[in-house]
Amino acid sequence: DIVMTQSPDSLAVSLGERATINCKSSQSVLYSSNNKNYLAWYQQKPGQPPKLLIYWASTRESGVPDRFSGSGSGTDFTLTISSLQAEDVAVYYCQQYYSTLYSFGQGTQLEI
Amino acid sequence: EVQLVESGGGLVQPGGSLRLSCAASGLTFSRHSMNWVRQAPGKGLEWVSYINSSSSAIYYADSVRGRFTISRDNAKNSLYLQMNSLRVEDTAMYYCAGAAPFDYWGQGTLVTVSS
Repeated sequence: DIVMTQSPDSLAVSLGERATINCKSSQSVLYSSNNKNYLAWYQQKPGQPPKLLIYWASTRESGVPDRFSGSGSGTDFTLTISSLQAEDVAVYYCQQYYSTLYSFGQGTQLEI
Repeated sequence: EVQLVESGGGLVQPGGSLRLSCAASGLTFSRHSMNWVRQAPGKGLEWVSYINSSSSAIYYADSVRGRFTISRDNAKNSLYLQMNSLRVEDTAMYYCAGAAPFDYWGQGTLVTVSS
């Protein structure tokens, strides 16, 4: 099974500053035949289901603000929020969908 | 607009059973693989089970394999999760989700396993 590990577990960033969350997979999630990384990022606010932000490691879901960006390949990935807004306070999860035994990272709590 | 609505959660004693349902609308359900994901109180997300569009491919997390059974009825646009031999550690919000990456989620149904 693929294990996803996020860092840090929690993060406090000032409004307008950059926030960076890291995610590492125990094996590569890059599928060589199509050169796609099967890695997604989700945002979850209290009392709500998760919301898909990024898929294929760097493709923003429709309607997601462009201050959110994803990068990385293989086993190491990053979610960056370029200028933190108050509404970005949430828990963020990475997820691999390379293996159908899907797995999530443990989550990163982002605070102001 | 895609809607996934879960039902069937509740309080059950350890060793008991429960059947969750997820009603789907706004999508061609029969063409989509589906998943169950759970979240224990104050904890992270845990993928539980996957079923493809024709029910010919089914997968489970190690934590539930042999106790939970996923199924679907494409004529009724519905997804199910039969949960047997429930344990205290199965207490969680259970979400129905679409195909990976999970762009569609329900609001969840709460399962509490306690004596």
